[in-house]
Amino acid sequence: AQTVTQSQPEMSVQEAETVTLSCTYDTSESDYYLFWYKQPPSRQMILVIRQEAYKQQNATENRFSVNFQKAAKSFSLKISDSQLGDAAMYFCAYRLVQGAQKLVFGQGTRLTINP
Amino acid sequence: NAGVMQNPRHLVRRRGQEARLRCSPMKGHSHVYWYRQLPEEGLKFMVYLQKENIIDESGMPKERFSAEFPKEGPSILRIQQVVRGDSAAYFCASSAGLNTEAFFGQGTRLTVV
Repeated sequence: AQTVTQSQPEMSVQEAETVTLSCTYDTSESDYYLFWYKQPPSRQMILVIRQEAYKQQNATENRFSVNFQKAAKSFSLKISDSQLGDAAMYFCAYRLVQGAQKLVFGQGTRLTINP
Repeated sequence: NAGVMQNPRHLVRRRGQEARLRCSPMKGHSHVYWYRQLPEEGLKFMVYLQKENIIDESGMPKERFSAEFPKEGPSILRIQQVVRGDSAAYFCASSAGLNTEAFFGQGTRLTVV
């Protein structure tokens, strides 16, 4: 069974600084997607970034980038120039490309931005 | 194009009552997924439906829980004889097809008193 682990229940960072959130996963499959979702207090699940496992190049979306290490099964999220609006719960998630379409989520990391 | 709509946003039920949670997918989406989020935890998959069919219900509790997605109207997650442990946020997501992005609704927070 696939599992996703986020070992940091809470993280904090000064506004304008950079923070990295960790995620590891376990799977025997070779073809899958990895995601980072943001959940602000409104509870809305917002897709931040997505990575296809077959792509070696790390995905980037503006201030958000990932460090995808397939052999190590590691998928960390880097947030640059942190802003107050980045404060939220962040969830790492996994999904197969073929077959089961369900997302498997980690436990989440609560990110606090200090002004 | 409205997003995924869930209602109600908040639902309070007494132990033993029934809870009905509704999800209207985005326009053009025929795939619906239900997830449950217990306090301070990640989302856990419950069930995946396409129009009129249950595709994967591997995350659904064996008793009291059921889901449907009729040809017309929203998808419904039904919980019979609710217990305190059913208190959680229930999220619906929809997608246009296989391997397309799933968009989430804002969730329904169920409180069982």
